[in-house]
Amino acid sequence: NAGVTQTPKFQVLKTGQSMTLQCAQDMNHNSMYWYRQDPGMGLRLIYYSASEGTTDKGEVPNGYNVSRLNKREFSLRLESAAPSQTSVYFCASSVGEKLFFGSGTQLSVL
Amino acid sequence: DAKTTQPTSMDCAEGRAANLPCNHSTISGNEYVYWYRQIHSQGPQYIIHGLKNNETNEMASLIITEDRKSSTLILPHATLRDTAVYYCIALYGGATNKLIFGTGTLLAIQP
Repeated sequence: NAGVTQTPKFQVLKTGQSMTLQCAQDMNHNSMYWYRQDPGMGLRLIYYSASEGTTDKGEVPNGYNVSRLNKREFSLRLESAAPSQTSVYFCASSVGEKLFFGSGTQLSVL
Repeated sequence: DAKTTQPTSMDCAEGRAANLPCNHSTISGNEYVYWYRQIHSQGPQYIIHGLKNNETNEMASLIITEDRKSSTLILPHATLRDTAVYYCIALYGGATNKLIFGTGTLLAIQP
């Protein structure tokens, strides 16, 4: 049982490049989330999806788009990466009151 | 959602009980107290949550004061692997999209 799987684990981009972070869960959870964590800070919610076919903005959605492809997969896209988007990105899914997190993607934008 | 206040850091000797305090003096009657932890460079991990009764599971115990203005997370026999940042969060039940992780308490288990 893999839980929440994120790819890639590390990525370096140049300013203006685009990329998609992938997330998949095998726990049949309805809700999925994308967070970012900057050094020395807590996690901030970027987007979440309460169920397949729905997405909503979180605290810091600017510069990001998401797609809930199906119940398992929730992707995060950076259309034109900026240095301010250098961060560690975590995907999560939830059942009831518990969130389950992936191991993160460390993204550097130069 | 109610604001929570935690110490920035704490130490605990390996094998002893680690008691992590959290103040949430403005918590409302419908807000639960959640605890998560984040081991270095990993994603946060759910530990426990409760409303007003004390709770225990395989990882920890949660003691909530009768007036609900504070709580304590207890790790009964701390190991080096319990070194992590611990987050205390007050949240309405089911509002998982409102889960806000502050800076938490860095718990360092000393050998």
